[in-house]
Amino acid sequence: RKEVEQDPGPFNVPEGATVAFNCTYSNSASQSFFWYRQDCRKEPKLLMSVYSSGNEDGRFTAQLNRASQYISLLIRDSKLSDSATYLCVVNEEDSSYKLIFGSGTRLLVRP
Amino acid sequence: DADVTQTPRNRITKTGKRIMLECSQTKGHDRMYWYRQDPGLGLRLIYYSFDVKDINKGEISDGYSVSRQAQAKFSLSLESAIPNQTALYFCATSDLNMGEQYFGPGTRLTVT
Repeated sequence: RKEVEQDPGPFNVPEGATVAFNCTYSNSASQSFFWYRQDCRKEPKLLMSVYSSGNEDGRFTAQLNRASQYISLLIRDSKLSDSATYLCVVNEEDSSYKLIFGSGTRLLVRP
Repeated sequence: DADVTQTPRNRITKTGKRIMLECSQTKGHDRMYWYRQDPGLGLRLIYYSFDVKDINKGEISDGYSVSRQAQAKFSLSLESAIPNQTALYFCATSDLNMGEQYFGPGTRLTVT
């Protein structure tokens, strides 16, 4: 089983749609969780950290379910500029800053 | 100016050649990392360094070596390049107290 699993997509949605991505992780000791965004042939960029209580940043909402070892990202009112690959990222163990990256979910937002 | 820079940005080399990829950062972070990315796969950690005197192997260190010349500089070497080392290579940094990492723009390496 992969340490961090994501549906590769692509998710093809119209502008204005709401889209949700899910991610599962295998190490129950993991303590830090992130969503990164990666545009084609570019570097990953931090989108948001994921906190136990969930967090929201504008149109983006992240949720963490420790019992199910599951992380989600919700994007509301999708924009063309949201088209990218979204990487789910988990730290290796609770005392380490080594990150484990999922292979990403591709989002295409069409006009 | 970018906080994390990588040189070269693109490189084509032949099998058996030695090649060095360089990374510099102005973020003042202690921790630096080298990853490779292949299509359809997540980023995989090659080496990481928590300070100038600390070097650690990552998931896929075979065929690679690194040097941490200063807090701000971390280079990756392929002593004898082979075609399956063709990939996109990223350098990243992180602060001692924060988990998130910040990436350079990447080096696209092709080994023929």
